[in-house]
Amino acid sequence: DAKTTQPPSMDCAEGRAANLPCNHSTISGNEYVYWYRQIHSQGPQYIIHGLKNNETNEMASLIITEDRKSSTLILPHATLRDTAVYYCIVVGNTGKLIFGQGTTLQVKP
Amino acid sequence: GAVVSQHPSWVICKSGTSVKIECRSLDFQATTMFWYRQFPKQSLMLMATSNEGSKATYEQGVEKDKFLINHASLTLSTLTVTSAHPEDSSFYICSARDSGAINSPLHFGNGTRLTVT
Repeated sequence: DAKTTQPPSMDCAEGRAANLPCNHSTISGNEYVYWYRQIHSQGPQYIIHGLKNNETNEMASLIITEDRKSSTLILPHATLRDTAVYYCIVVGNTGKLIFGQGTTLQVKP
Repeated sequence: GAVVSQHPSWVICKSGTSVKIECRSLDFQATTMFWYRQFPKQSLMLMATSNEGSKATYEQGVEKDKFLINHASLTLSTLTVTSAHPEDSSFYICSARDSGAINSPLHFGNGTRLTVT
């Protein structure tokens, strides 16, 4: 499965949009991009996933570039409860989720 | 939505004893479950893939005789840490997929914090 690269940390003001980038330059055509987040001492929470097209759900939007080598997770109106570690994961035919170090998002009042 | 439940949420045991952790899919059937381990300030590490009715598949470096996995039904997988030692103290998390499709999301339990004294 393709490896991903994320910034180790980011800050965001409460109420503003949080844009979390992810690079996956070695992604293959049949691999999906998944986003999860983990709040301290809890299991990871599924946010969103996509293959080629941009996706939106009640939690977030996922923007995937046309060449699929990078993506951005957008939390439209960040709240303090969105403070967490966000993981971008590429999933292939094995169906396994291999976690990297993720991005620690700190939402500040 | 799909719910994965783990039990217990925390456990303290003495060195040399064994501990069993249960992972249940509450509202769906899961032919495959995954077990992870997470040390403080580190990311999740995949330990093994648990397959209903067959042997688990372990990731490289994970001792299968140390971490026994049983997946006897479509809604229950168990992880037994045998002869636990202080270095086995960690946060153990399971996950399951509520569909046979590989591209459907994995849902995670809330983890079990194991402390070996």
